[in-house]
Amino acid sequence: GQNIDQPTEMTATEGAIVQINCTYQTSGFNGLFWYQQHAGEAPTFLSYNVLDGLEEKGRFSSFLSRSKGYSYLLLKELQMKDSASYLCAVRVDSNYQLIWGAGTKLIIKP
Amino acid sequence: DTGVSQDPRHKITKRGQNVTFRCDPISEHNRLYWYRQTLGQGPEFLTYFQNEAQLEKSRLLSDRFSAERPKGSFSTLEIQRTEQGDSAMYLCASSLGGFNEQYFGPGTRLTVT
Repeated sequence: GQNIDQPTEMTATEGAIVQINCTYQTSGFNGLFWYQQHAGEAPTFLSYNVLDGLEEKGRFSSFLSRSKGYSYLLLKELQMKDSASYLCAVRVDSNYQLIWGAGTKLIIKP
Repeated sequence: DTGVSQDPRHKITKRGQNVTFRCDPISEHNRLYWYRQTLGQGPEFLTYFQNEAQLEKSRLLSDRFSAERPKGSFSTLEIQRTEQGDSAMYLCASSLGGFNEQYFGPGTRLTVT
């Protein structure tokens, strides 16, 4: 079967750094995506990893270890607007289907 | 605004009625996806199109659900004989090819009473 695990909820302080983990067990692997979703809104694309290592994009970075089936999203200099759910999704095969985690709800406190 | 639009944004219907949703993807995107999302869960894949061809439909999807993309542009998702369990957010996404990121529309929130 296909399984993606993320923590359900995390809390962090404005201005701090937070790391959101994602582990996956899937029948194949063809890339991992992170999306941000504010309450009541659609997911928006944040980052994509297909090779091992760190991808940095402004305040957000994403890391992938294919051998460990593990990724994390690192958010720096947290702002109140970063309060949202963060979804991890794995592309498993040549049909380019995405398997989605349930998301991590991030709460930012002043 | 990602450039993907969905209509209507909200739909309330009584159990047993049929409903139809529309999605207009980004114009140059050849792939279009339908997902369903309930509170606290990630999107659940329903079906996808490459141009006008429906390439895959979730095995979990009831025969009450049908989707079309007649000219390879906009798409419709119809649910027949709605049930309370169909209440969810229905999301449409599009991408340029299967390899690139998907851009989501704002969704249609369906409530079945």
